[in-house]
Amino acid sequence: ELKVEQNPLFLSMQEGKNYTIYCNYSTTSDRLYWYRQDPGKSLESLFVLLSNGAVKQEGRLMASLDTKARLSTLHITAAVHDLSATYFCAVDMDSNYQLIWGAGTKLIIKP
Amino acid sequence: GAVVSQHPSRVICKSGTSVKIECRSLDFQATTMFWYRQFPKQSLMLMATSNEGSKATYEQGVEKDKFLINHASLTLSTLTVTSAHPEDSSFYICSARDKGNYPYEQYFGPGTRLTVT
Repeated sequence: ELKVEQNPLFLSMQEGKNYTIYCNYSTTSDRLYWYRQDPGKSLESLFVLLSNGAVKQEGRLMASLDTKARLSTLHITAAVHDLSATYFCAVDMDSNYQLIWGAGTKLIIKP
Repeated sequence: GAVVSQHPSRVICKSGTSVKIECRSLDFQATTMFWYRQFPKQSLMLMATSNEGSKATYEQGVEKDKFLINHASLTLSTLTVTSAHPEDSSFYICSARDKGNYPYEQYFGPGTRLTVT
């Protein structure tokens, strides 16, 4: 059974600090997605990672994928309050194109 | 980018009535759509996979007679919650897969907040 584990599940941090969210998965896949969800809203696609060693950056967020370690990271640099949200990673199942979801990381950034 | 719409965004209905939620892919053809349910402070739970022109595939534990899914065209899938009860109150999100463009990413609708009174 494919499992996707995110940690931490909750993160409270100060503005200006750096932190990393980890996403581990249990089987082979070379497609991993990161999403942001604001309260009461649907999902916003952040990054699509398609191959081993893929690194993508958008503003203060950077995501990477290590398919050999079955690990993706979402790094936050110099956090600002606007980044407060819940972040999900999801792994693509090749067989049926379903997404297997992590539990989500609730990020609170305090001024 | 690809856009998926969902309607209504919010609905309140009385217990025992049925509610239909529409999911449309606006600028691409979606042979496969997915319906999710999300409880507060939880991750997404896949309810069913909807394939155009065929019966939906339901996940274990999801009542197919209660959650009717129809995917009649390449751009429209509907979810009907029949004989709704308060425990069906939830946030329902659809997604549509763009199989015309690798990596065949799923694009998400804005969600429907269902409240059953």
